[in-house]
Amino acid sequence: AQKITQTQPGMFVQEKEAVTLDCTYDTSDPSYGLFWYKQPSSGEMIFLIYQGSYDQQNATEGRYSLNFQKARKSANLVISASQLGDSAMYFCAMREGTLRSNDYKLSFGAGTTVTVRA
Amino acid sequence: EPEVTQTPSHQVTQMGQEVILRCVPISNHLYFYWYRQILGQKVEFLVSFYNNEISEKSEIFDDQFSVERPDGSNFTLKIRSTKLEDSAMYFCASKKDPESQPQHFGDGTRLSIL
Repeated sequence: AQKITQTQPGMFVQEKEAVTLDCTYDTSDPSYGLFWYKQPSSGEMIFLIYQGSYDQQNATEGRYSLNFQKARKSANLVISASQLGDSAMYFCAMREGTLRSNDYKLSFGAGTTVTVRA
Repeated sequence: EPEVTQTPSHQVTQMGQEVILRCVPISNHLYFYWYRQILGQKVEFLVSFYNNEISEKSEIFDDQFSVERPDGSNFTLKIRSTKLEDSAMYFCASKKDPESQPQHFGDGTRLSIL
């Protein structure tokens, strides 16, 4: 079963507008974390934002915010005031089970391609 | 800001040949990972490494794959006899400790098998 689902393969957004990228996850672990990474066309993976399952508040990092809805198992990324440089692939990822292991892998979604239009 | 360094950026190899992908994790990090991304697909976990041994490996990480930390700085992924389907981008990642977030990724090595 897919642990991370990103249902939007591609999105277009106008410069200076906000865009929301959907991510739903599946886990039975009470302790987990959710990440968003950005992958530009050059290929590197850039960490954007993190949300822990026990965090009371939604995470924010500059123009990035994470809309965490635990009951719905969703962790949507909101990019405000889009810039041309935001054009990239965006991946949602989850880590599980730090309580039973000090080490964890990340499970990634399929990604969403964002294209910002001038 | 410290970063994970991967070399080479692009490796072209004949099928059946051995290849070694190299990574220099961030210096005070203790946990190391390899992921791969086949072109157009999602990133997949290969292996995690801590305290000089493999912590976890995926089904992809079969007997053709091995990892090593030969000295205090390098972390390598070896593919013993490459296949066409090994063509992918390979990412190395590291993190400092169990509580630190996130895993820091290198820029990747694009492996092309001919």
